[in-house]
Amino acid sequence: SQQGEEDPQALSIQEGENATMNCSYKTSINNLQWYRQNSGRGLVHLILIRSNEREKHSGRLRVTLDTSKKSSSLLITASRAADTASYFCATHLTGGGADGLTFGKGTHLIIQP
Amino acid sequence: GAVVSQHPSWVICKSGTSVKIECRSLDFQATTMFWYRQFPKQSLMLMATSNEGSKATYEQGVEKDKFLINHASLTLSTLTVTSAHPEDSSFYICSALGQETYEQYFGPGTRLTVT
Repeated sequence: SQQGEEDPQALSIQEGENATMNCSYKTSINNLQWYRQNSGRGLVHLILIRSNEREKHSGRLRVTLDTSKKSSSLLITASRAADTASYFCATHLTGGGADGLTFGKGTHLIIQP
Repeated sequence: GAVVSQHPSWVICKSGTSVKIECRSLDFQATTMFWYRQFPKQSLMLMATSNEGSKATYEQGVEKDKFLINHASLTLSTLTVTSAHPEDSSFYICSALGQETYEQYFGPGTRLTVT
């Protein structure tokens, strides 16, 4: 079953604007990860945030985690056309590190030049 | 480092035939690999966990006799779709678990089309 739920399902913004995607989950987690997938391609790991972390940065990416609300957000600043892709959050099924991931439904992001 | 490959990248087969997909960790050993399936415009769904030297663990609703998984070495897991039907057409993605970091490294995926 899908644990993660992203919103919005789709987002279209102008190049240079910031894009924010949200993810909610249901069970306790060890960490939460964000992935990017270009159309018909494999996954690219973007960032991992542990359950004891509240915010993490990587380049133009900023991820927050609120374990009390069981939610996370991914912010992409100064968006570029190349950021057009689907973005998924993922958590480990049992909260451990050696298990399969449960992916959210994803947000399809379109950056208009 | 931490590269995972899949072969083939895409395959078209006729209904009723079997198709084997390979997942290889190229520069590290992986005792655990995972198989996911992704239907068009949908998310990834975990199908099974493949453990080297032991039987795979299948998720609820995944038929183990239809999706045969073999993890015969520390760098190779195979998924065989037996008696494929058009509804098995999907994007199959594997990942390999890093032994020290527990990070999953994903392959590029295999697109299966059953006609």
